[in-house]
Amino acid sequence: QVQLQESGPGLVKPSQTLSLTCTVSGGSISSGGYYWSWIRQHPGKGLEWIGYIYYSGSTYYNPSLKSRVTISVDTSKNQFSLKLSSVTAADTAVYYCARDIVATRWFDPWGQGTLVTVSS
Amino acid sequence: SYVLTQPPSVSVAPGQTARITCGGNNIGSKSVHWYQQKPGQAPVLVVYDDSDRPSGIPERFSGSNSGNTATLTISRVEAGDEADYYCQVWDSSSDLLVFGTGTKVTVL
Repeated sequence: QVQLQESGPGLVKPSQTLSLTCTVSGGSISSGGYYWSWIRQHPGKGLEWIGYIYYSGSTYYNPSLKSRVTISVDTSKNQFSLKLSSVTAADTAVYYCARDIVATRWFDPWGQGTLVTVSS
Repeated sequence: SYVLTQPPSVSVAPGQTARITCGGNNIGSKSVHWYQQKPGQAPVLVVYDDSDRPSGIPERFSGSNSGNTATLTISRVEAGDEADYYCQVWDSSSDLLVFGTGTKVTVL
């Protein structure tokens, strides 16, 4: 059973870069057939898809964040990562990683989520 | 961009039926997926491809999709069904994954 776990700093200063890693266990990122996505949720708000990466390294980002987002993959560690640059308080959110099935485009499973607060 | 609209809240008595709508332009032509999110927890897939259930999801959860509205139906509602529910589609024209605005289900 595939499980995902986010990790990274819970506090980031304004204008700096937010960096998170998602570790996949119980299955291989390189197995194909899946995109690996990042999703965030502002406090008390809805869900916002950030972008995805395929094991080959190809990516696609939400245009609303595209200029500041980089998603990368490390197949040797079975991990994928999110970098969001020039953060502001508006980037304070719970960040989730999730598996996205290429053929059908639903998310399952999800990581437990990690709260990142942007504050000086 | 493609927009999915849900009612902010739905209230239902235990044992009754809750219906949560998800409105979008010609949503009937897309596959709709539904997630349940309890406080402090990650979302969980409860319905995929309009009306299919993942293993472990009770038969009380069902879905339909036609025209401009998709619906998640929870039959014989229990206290444990109290949660936020989100619909989601893939907009193929833009290759964007879109979530609905979310509906809070309150069990009276």
